[in-house]
Amino acid sequence: SQKIEQNSEALNIQEGKTATLTCNYTNYSPAYLQWYRQDPGRGPVFLLLIRENEKEKRKERLKVTFDTTLKQSLFHITASQPADSATYLCALDRGSGGGADGLTFGKGTHLIIQP
Amino acid sequence: DAGVTQSPTHLIKTRGQQVTLRCSPKSGHDTVSWYQQALGQGPQFIFQYYEEEERQRGNFPDRFSGHQFPNYSSELNVNALLLGDSALYLCASNRLFIYGYTFGSGTRLTVV
Repeated sequence: SQKIEQNSEALNIQEGKTATLTCNYTNYSPAYLQWYRQDPGRGPVFLLLIRENEKEKRKERLKVTFDTTLKQSLFHITASQPADSATYLCALDRGSGGGADGLTFGKGTHLIIQP
Repeated sequence: DAGVTQSPTHLIKTRGQQVTLRCSPKSGHDTVSWYQQALGQGPQFIFQYYEEEERQRGNFPDRFSGHQFPNYSSELNVNALLLGDSALYLCASNRLFIYGYTFGSGTRLTVV
């Protein structure tokens, strides 16, 4: 079965700097990789999706890279703000058609942006 | 446009009891998935429903069952509750073939 590793320790970043979060996976290569944000007591919120044939995806201050050779995705938040503090989850699905695959999530990385 | 709605928000049950959790998907979504999230862990996939059928199931025992109704809403049932079933139960919806799931805020289940 698929295993996902994310930085399990909290990541402390100074406001205005770029935060970089790592997601490593084993076994099969997913067709899609997704990143979610989760605040305490809330459900995850979808941020970005990147396909296996895409190297990079951007959305405003967010950037995701996907290296299927290294089996790794990097998630960047540029010009970080205290409001970006949250847990960020990496999730994979196999894209085997029809969106019928359940997501496999990592444990998440707790990001703290310090003023 | 309402997102995913789950009820109840909190629930306390005794070991051995049964529980039913409810989910209304986001308007326009036809697929509903359920996840269990223990404290400090990522969500774990339980199962997914489309057209009132279970399409795929994660590694959960038969004590976990579900249902999807013609209006796409869904229920998660857990029988013979164990202490280890205490968790945040999340419902997620999407349109088939469209990725990027919308999650509800979850139901916090405590088994005592």
